[in-house]
Amino acid sequence: SQTIHQWPATLVQPVGSPLSLECTVEGTSNPNLYWYRQAAGRGLQLLFYSVGIGQISSEVPQNLSASRPQDRQFILSSKKLLLSDSGFYLCAWSPGTSGSSPQETQYFGPGTRLLVL
Amino acid sequence: GDSVTQMEGPVTLSEEAFLTINCTYTATGYPSLFWYVQYPGEGLQLLLKATKADDKGSNKGFEATYRKETTSFHLEKGSVQVSDSAVYFCALKSSYKLIFGSGTRLLVRP
Repeated sequence: SQTIHQWPATLVQPVGSPLSLECTVEGTSNPNLYWYRQAAGRGLQLLFYSVGIGQISSEVPQNLSASRPQDRQFILSSKKLLLSDSGFYLCAWSPGTSGSSPQETQYFGPGTRLLVL
Repeated sequence: GDSVTQMEGPVTLSEEAFLTINCTYTATGYPSLFWYVQYPGEGLQLLLKATKADDKGSNKGFEATYRKETTSFHLEKGSVQVSDSAVYFCALKSSYKLIFGSGTRLLVRP
């Protein structure tokens, strides 16, 4: 069966510091990968998605970036964190060739709670 | 653009009460519809889904029917338990991304 891991589970960082969040998927090959953010008391917003190694699409302009160095690894980064980057970051994966089929289900990891002070 | 609207919470019920959480959507094309559940401090778990009109998704006693004529996907459960306390998200998917509602918090009291 497939498993998705995220770490760290919780992170407290000062404003202006760098960020690196990691997501890995086990038990599948060539998954589509996604980063979502959940701001306090709000729904989820897609930040980035990837259909293959080195292929990253950005949904919203911001000071975050994403990379996919390996097939089942997805990293979310920032060079300098802002207060507004605080939130709950969720990684998700889906099977399939493009990720664009409406029927494809996305499966979420346990999330990383980030607090920027 | 596509959007999802959920009833605002929190919804507070006594154990064994009937649950309805309303969800309506706006979309072009033929989206799939999902309900996800988020337990305190955890990520999202898929609860159920429906991929075409009149489909009924069901899981763990929860049900939702894809109603194209009313653009709705209301979540129902006949008898809630304390363990059902969580935040429930309705979502649609017409291409690569999920579009979520703002979530509805459910609190079930013993």
